[in-house]
Amino acid sequence: AQKVTQAQTEISVVEKEDVTLDCVYETRDTTYYLFWYKQPPSGELVFLIRRNSFDEQNEISGRYSWNFQKSTSSFNFTITASQVVDSAVYFCALLNAGNNRKLIWGLGTSLAVNP
Amino acid sequence: DAGITQSPRHKVTETGTPVTLRCHQTENHRYMYWYRQDPGHGLRLIHYSYGVKDTDKGEVSDGYSVSRSKTEDFLLTLESATSSQTSVYFCAIGGDLSASTDTQYFGPGTRLTVL
Repeated sequence: AQKVTQAQTEISVVEKEDVTLDCVYETRDTTYYLFWYKQPPSGELVFLIRRNSFDEQNEISGRYSWNFQKSTSSFNFTITASQVVDSAVYFCALLNAGNNRKLIWGLGTSLAVNP
Repeated sequence: DAGITQSPRHKVTETGTPVTLRCHQTENHRYMYWYRQDPGHGLRLIHYSYGVKDTDKGEVSDGYSVSRSKTEDFLLTLESATSSQTSVYFCAIGGDLSASTDTQYFGPGTRLTVL
């Protein structure tokens, strides 16, 4: 079975707090790709990161960082020193190499960053 | 930003009428996708295309048809719209794992209301 679980439906933090969004995935494939997308209140879907299954190196981009752990099938996303502009729904997604390019989506985590 | 446009951006129609949504890309990607987004369901794949005149069904294809006569255009048609098809529709391009373009990039979305 292929599945993506984002257990946190909603998170509310105060500006400048650090926040971690969890993503747990299930797949039987050895080659797969993981993604994070951001959907701000304006509604567009913005690509944030792609990670290949054979590359467990963590990644940092400014205030954003991602922790990929195959041992726990997790691909968590941390925002450091959150800002109001980070308020959005964040989606984690899984793509198996042999799955006809079909993304498996989590249901998203709604993050509210309050001033 | 990937060159993807969707038209119309908003549409209100009545039950039983045909509706066609258009997705246009300027990136020459082989793969194109149609998703719908509904509260509680996240993003669900309707149909996708892997080349001109080559299309396949996604997980929620009933009541929808697609056509791709040119690389740059992917049309989604609701033959006879129903209220259950009220949703936000997203087009995406990319996802070709044979190249480096294995990330899906999304259009701005079309909000469709069926009364």
